Amino acid sequence: AQSVTQLGSHVSVSEGALVLLRCNYSSSVPPYLFWYVQYPNQGLQLLLKYTTGATLVKGINGFEAEFKKSETSFHLTKPSAHMSDAAEYFCAVSEQTGANNLFFGTGTRLTVIP
Amino acid sequence: TAGITQAPTSQILAAGRSMTLRCTQDMRHNAMYWYRQDLGLGLRLIHYSNTAGTTGKGEVPDGYSVSRANTDDFPLTLASAVPSQTSVYFCASSTQGSSTQYFGPGTRLTVL
Repeated sequence: AQSVTQLGSHVSVSEGALVLLRCNYSSSVPPYLFWYVQYPNQGLQLLLKYTTGATLVKGINGFEAEFKKSETSFHLTKPSAHMSDAAEYFCAVSEQTGANNLFFGTGTRLTVIP
Repeated sequence: TAGITQAPTSQILAAGRSMTLRCTQDMRHNAMYWYRQDLGLGLRLIHYSNTAGTTGKGEVPDGYSVSRANTDDFPLTLASAVPSQTSVYFCASSTQGSSTQYFGPGTRLTVL
């Protein structure tokens, strides 16, 4: 079974500061890992995903995440926060390609302070 | 490109009434999913369909039913709504063999 833990339901950063959103997972088999972003009153949009290969994954809007198997983590980072990054971010895991289910974390709301 | 459309955008429903949430995709994706999003709980899978004509239960299926008569449509029905079904409902789809799901804009349902 898979599960995802996102540490910190709310994160605040100053504009221009580093963004770090934490995600740890548990999975009995090699996982596929995802970060989704949800802007207010909208659906979820895929930011980036890790399936196989390079463990550092680059996504849209300057975000990236690194799969660390030894730490069972997939933290999301961005070097310099922008006001437009304010949103809710969800980490998710699936067991294999085409699996029936994405298991989501509870989400982290990012606030960017001007 | 429309992608995934959901209707209605929002709805207030009296407890005990039935309702069908509609979801249509134009990407010819084989698989479709229904999730509910609740504060502090993230998204949880209600039902899924790997291909037209088949459906399966997710994590929280009780009180909901689905059908998949064709590739494009995946309606979610609440036969007799209860207040605990107040939530935001998201439909998603993916191609066969892909782990990436694409989400609709959601339906906000309030059951009173």
